[in-house]
Amino acid sequence: AQSVTQLDSHVSVSEGTPVLLRCNYSSSYSPSLFWYVQHPNKGLQLLLKYTSAATLVKGINGFEAEFKKSETSFHLTKPSAHMSDAAEYFCVTRDVRGGKLIFGQGTELSVKP
Amino acid sequence: SQTIHQWPATLVQPVGSPLSLECTVEGTSNPNLYWYRQAAGRGLQLLFYSVGIGQISSEVPQNLSASRPQDRQFILSSKKLLLSDSGFYLCAWRLLGQLTEAFFGQGTRLTVV
Repeated sequence: AQSVTQLDSHVSVSEGTPVLLRCNYSSSYSPSLFWYVQHPNKGLQLLLKYTSAATLVKGINGFEAEFKKSETSFHLTKPSAHMSDAAEYFCVTRDVRGGKLIFGQGTELSVKP
Repeated sequence: SQTIHQWPATLVQPVGSPLSLECTVEGTSNPNLYWYRQAAGRGLQLLFYSVGIGQISSEVPQNLSASRPQDRQFILSSKKLLLSDSGFYLCAWRLLGQLTEAFFGQGTRLTVV
């Protein structure tokens, strides 16, 4: 069965420093992978998605993620954190049998001035 | 363009009272529709999903029910709310397809008192 594991429940960085949010997936198939961001009391917004066309995926707001099959990872990165990046981030995969989305537990990103 | 509307944004209800949350999608046809709940400090839990009018699948046994009376309308209900029903409820839609992402509503913060 497919699953995603977000390795950190909370990450804290200083403004202007790099961001790394880690996600590992488990799948017997070529997975569909997504990263979503959720600001407090808001819905989820898609940051980027892996479509198997390219292993390095660029998303909105300067975020990108690299699909590494050998490491079963899909980590989210950003070269320089901004205060507005403080939010909850979810790594998501899709159940190939029924199409349901499978969410990681989320990583809360804090950005210090 | 497609949009998703979810209301109300916040709701405070007494224990034992009924519940009705509504979600509508515009600009698309025959979407897959989802209801998620997000409890404080936890990830998203899929409650119900629907692949068509009148077709509802329940993921977890609970005090809630869902209905899809029209193609782009998804309703979450309860006859008698429990304290444990408090949480942040999110409606989402996506189209069929391996690479399609889900689009989320802005959420409803439900507090049962």
